[in-house]
Amino acid sequence: EADIYQTPRYLVIGTGKKITLECSQTMGHDKMYWYQQDPGMELHLIHYSYGVNSTEKGDLSSESTVSRIRTEHFPLTLESARPSHTSQYLCASSEYPLTLYFGPGTRLTVL
Amino acid sequence: TQLLEQSPQFLSIQEGENLTVYCNSSSVFSSLQWYRQEPGEGPVLLVTVVTGGEVKKLKRLTFQFGDARKDSSLHITAAQPGDTGLYLCAGAPGDYKLSFGAGTTVTVRA
Repeated sequence: EADIYQTPRYLVIGTGKKITLECSQTMGHDKMYWYQQDPGMELHLIHYSYGVNSTEKGDLSSESTVSRIRTEHFPLTLESARPSHTSQYLCASSEYPLTLYFGPGTRLTVL
Repeated sequence: TQLLEQSPQFLSIQEGENLTVYCNSSSVFSSLQWYRQEPGEGPVLLVTVVTGGEVKKLKRLTFQFGDARKDSSLHITAAQPGDTGLYLCAGAPGDYKLSFGAGTTVTVRA
């Protein structure tokens, strides 16, 4: 069973706040990803990393940033949250060939 | 424009009935995957198909990859309430980034 964790699971905050969504995995996977999921829409890749000190932007433009200082940790930060950031954020890790293990997600609501 | 089109978007059936979900694209994929996501959880990988024409069975679930590797289907026989969830297909056009469909929400009524 996959061991990938996300905190918090639910977050309601006001506009303009800085937030960090945490994601950790204990499988030693080099590749990690952040996806955004909205009802009726495909999952959009917003950031990914192929290893420590490697981060790339995904296909969906995002105002968030990520860091990868340790293999197991891949946090996502929003410097100034807006209502348009309201969504479900899914973190995943993988080993070749592309078997993604997803965390339970963080449901973010920005008022 | 979605790379992967899933149909139908919603499907509600009675326990014991069969169902089929489709995943179509105009692009060729080196592999296609199917995930199931339950409410409040992340998607969980069900199967990966890599060879054109390949058929894989997982208990009551049958997965097929099209001969041209552009489409796939998921068939569930004698559906049970535990099969309820969002079914997502995902494909890798060639690099290490998956593209996902919008999903099919399946509800199996007891």
